[in-house]
Order: sequence, then C-alpha cells, then structure tokens
Amino acid sequence: DGGITQSPKYLFRKEGQNVTLSCEQNLNHDAMYWYRQDPGQGLRLIYYSQIVNDFQKGDIAEGYSVSREKKESFPLTVTSAQKNPTAFYLCASSTSGQGTYEQYFGPGTRLTVT
Amino acid sequence: GNSVTQMEGPVTLSEEAFLTINCTYTATGYPSLFWYVQYPGEGLQLLLKATKADDKGSNKGFEATYRKETTSFHLEKGSVQVSDSAVYFCALSEGETSGSRLTFGEGTQLTVNP
Repeated sequence: DGGITQSPKYLFRKEGQNVTLSCEQNLNHDAMYWYRQDPGQGLRLIYYSQIVNDFQKGDIAEGYSVSREKKESFPLTVTSAQKNPTAFYLCASSTSGQGTYEQYFGPGTRLTVT
Repeated sequence: GNSVTQMEGPVTLSEEAFLTINCTYTATGYPSLFWYVQYPGEGLQLLLKATKADDKGSNKGFEATYRKETTSFHLEKGSVQVSDSAVYFCALSEGETSGSRLTFGEGTQLTVNP
C-alpha cells in the first residue's frame, strides 16, 4: 500500500529537550511538507522540500529544523527554541514540477511538551 | 499575499439537511482550489478540487464550483449524513512558481446529528 507514515502517533517530552518527528512516504513524490495544527486553527506551513537535499522555510520555521537526505524521508526536529511546541504535526507529500498537484497527508503526530 | 477565508463554525445540522460551507480567497495569480476533510484524530484527505474558473469539483455527494468573479469556492451537499461529521478545510495552491504549496483556511467543524 502506498502512503505516508508518521511515527509515533503520540509523543511526550519535557521542556528543553529536542525531539524528532518521523515522516516516510512510498508514493515516489518529490515534494514533502510539514504543517502544524493548533486547536480551532488551520494548518500552518513549517518547512517544505521540493527535491532531495533542498528545503525552504515556511511561515513558522523558527524553532524547527529539517533534513532531506532521502526522497522517502523528511524528519522534523522541534528544538528547545520553539516557544510553544505542543501541537498536532502533519506531514504531506506531492508530485512537483509543472502544474498543481494535491497533497497527500499522513495521520499526524500529537506532540505534548510539559 | 494569498489567503483563504472560511465561514465560522461550528456548524450543526440534522441528518439529510442541506450543507453549505462558504469559502472565499485572495490570490495574485490563477490558483487551483481544494477542499480537504479531517476526521477526528486523523490527517487530511482530499475531498475535491478545481483547477480553473467555472470548474466544478465533486466527490461523495459534495460539490464546489470555482467562481473567479466572486473569488469563491463554496462547498455544498444536498443531504448530509452522520458520517460527514468532520472538519472541512478550503485551500488554494500558490501556482507553479511555488510548486504545490497550499494556503489553508481555518477549517469549519461540521456535526451532523441523527
């Protein structure tokens, strides 16, 4: 089955610790994205990558970092510099290039920092 | 910049009622428009899309028409079911210069009662 996997589904961390969220896709998509969702709000783009070894900041990149060493994987690190890290994090992927393509989403990781 | 505005929720309907969720957008170019649905605790799923003016997207009884003159993409369904209870997001693509990057509205929570 093709799709996007995010793990774990729930993650708990103490304040001051860095934490890495996993995102893997087997859809052969070039582009991958990370979003943050807070209660009652829409999705806000953290980082996106249109090709391996390249990525761009989204609207709320401060306190986050990413890497794109493989086409299938786009891990997100929530650093201790992120002031309010508790949220639902969604990873997505899409075809890229000429034209517009819909994004396919993973099931999400709910991060709680106390 | 680009933006998407959705009608405020939550929306509560009885089964078999008619549904409209309003969505208007601001864009500099000619975006593609999408409706995504999110069931509790899950990621987003594409519901329907339209890529040019006057296109009608449809899926599972839901419809939306791309109206360039009113910059709108309202979601409609003639007879809702309890299983349609979810959060609905309107989104637009930022066009070819930014790949498939999406801008989302804030989401509208729909509850359908039996």
